[in-house]
Amino acid sequence: EIVLTQSPGTLSLSPGERATLSCRASQSVDSLYIAWYQQKPGQAPRLLIYAASNRATGIPDRFSGSVSGTDFTLIITRLEAEDFAVYYCQQYGRSPWTFGQGTKVEIK
Amino acid sequence: EVQLLESGGDLVQPGGSLRLSCAASGFTFSTYAITWVRQAPGKGLEWVAHISGSGDRTFYADSVKGRFTISRDNSKNTLSLQMNSLRVEDTAVYYCAKNMLSGDMRNAFDVWGQGTMVTVSS
Repeated sequence: EIVLTQSPGTLSLSPGERATLSCRASQSVDSLYIAWYQQKPGQAPRLLIYAASNRATGIPDRFSGSVSGTDFTLIITRLEAEDFAVYYCQQYGRSPWTFGQGTKVEIK
Repeated sequence: EVQLLESGGDLVQPGGSLRLSCAASGFTFSTYAITWVRQAPGKGLEWVAHISGSGDRTFYADSVKGRFTISRDNSKNTLSLQMNSLRVEDTAVYYCAKNMLSGDMRNAFDVWGQGTMVTVSS
């Protein structure tokens, strides 16, 4: 099983600041099969990024994804009020599909 | 509009059974693989099971293998999850989610239902 480790667990930032979220895979993962999701309290997850760096439909361009080896990064360039949420990375290249444990982005 | 709507969540005793359903609309259901993902209270996301568009291929997490069965009725645009021998640790919100692209089962999930709560407790 591929274990995804997200860091940090919590990110305390102010609106307008840049957020950098990391996700490290325990084994090699084809970047085609990495996604990022946003989840707000009481809501279902929402797809942000697929294939490591492609924005899903309707996702603003302040969200971007990148990859370097087994390290995957989600960047939110300028945090807006609606971006404070929990973010999960996921790999879907090798069964079982797995999620990271999540990074909470909270208002400082 | 593409939609998924789960139902069937309930309070059930350990060892009991429950069947969840997911009604799909707004897309050609039979051409997309569908997944069940669960989330225990206050915890992260856990993939549970996956089924191909035609229903001929299924995959399960080790934690539910042999106890849960995923199936679909493409004539009714409905996905099901039969859960037997339920354990306290199966308590979670269960989401169904649609693959973003048809064909390859290795896809991100672009549409999610609102979830249905399963509570296993005596």
